[in-house]
Amino acid sequence: AQSVSQHNHHVILSEAASLELGCNYSYGGTVNLFWYVQYPGQHLQLLLKYFSGDPLVKGIKGFEAEFIKSKFSFNLRKPSVQWSDTAEYFCAVNPTGGYQKVTFGTGTKLQVIP
Amino acid sequence: GAGVSQTPSNKVTEKGKYVELRCDPISGHTALYWYRQSLGQGPEFLIYFQGTGAADDSGLPNDRFFAVRPEGSVSTLKIQRTERGDSAVYLCASSLASQQGYTDTQYFGPGTRLTVL
Repeated sequence: AQSVSQHNHHVILSEAASLELGCNYSYGGTVNLFWYVQYPGQHLQLLLKYFSGDPLVKGIKGFEAEFIKSKFSFNLRKPSVQWSDTAEYFCAVNPTGGYQKVTFGTGTKLQVIP
Repeated sequence: GAGVSQTPSNKVTEKGKYVELRCDPISGHTALYWYRQSLGQGPEFLIYFQGTGAADDSGLPNDRFFAVRPEGSVSTLKIQRTERGDSAVYLCASSLASQQGYTDTQYFGPGTRLTVL
């Protein structure tokens, strides 16, 4: 079975700082990878996803993630965070070739200080 | 358009009682998922429907949990003999289609916060 690790549970940054949130997964085969975000008081929503092709994926609001297969990683990045990026971020993985059981990480709470 | 809706938004019940949680997916979405999110954790998969049938119920923790989707649209998650450990936010998500090897974007509802006293 697959698993996802998010090593940073709580990150505090000042506005304009660069962001990198770690995500590592464990699975022996090919996978689809996702980052979801939950803003305060809102639903979970998709930030970006990787299925195949270019390992550098761009999402909404200036976020991007890079799939490094050799490291089983899919880290989320943003060059300059804003106060409005304060949210909880979840990495998720879904094996290809099967139905869509998605496994989520435990999440990283990002707090951006103005 | 309307997103995924879930009712009730909050449910407080006593240990041993029966509860039903409802999910209305986005119109036209054939795939529907239930997740449970406990405090400090990510969403935990419970069950997945493709149309009316449960294609994967491997995440249901025990036989007290059951879910139905009789007409391929609205789904109800049913919990019998609730326990304090069932307290969590129950999330529903839907997507356009579900084919082997291809994952459609899942759209999540706001969740139902269940508290078992």
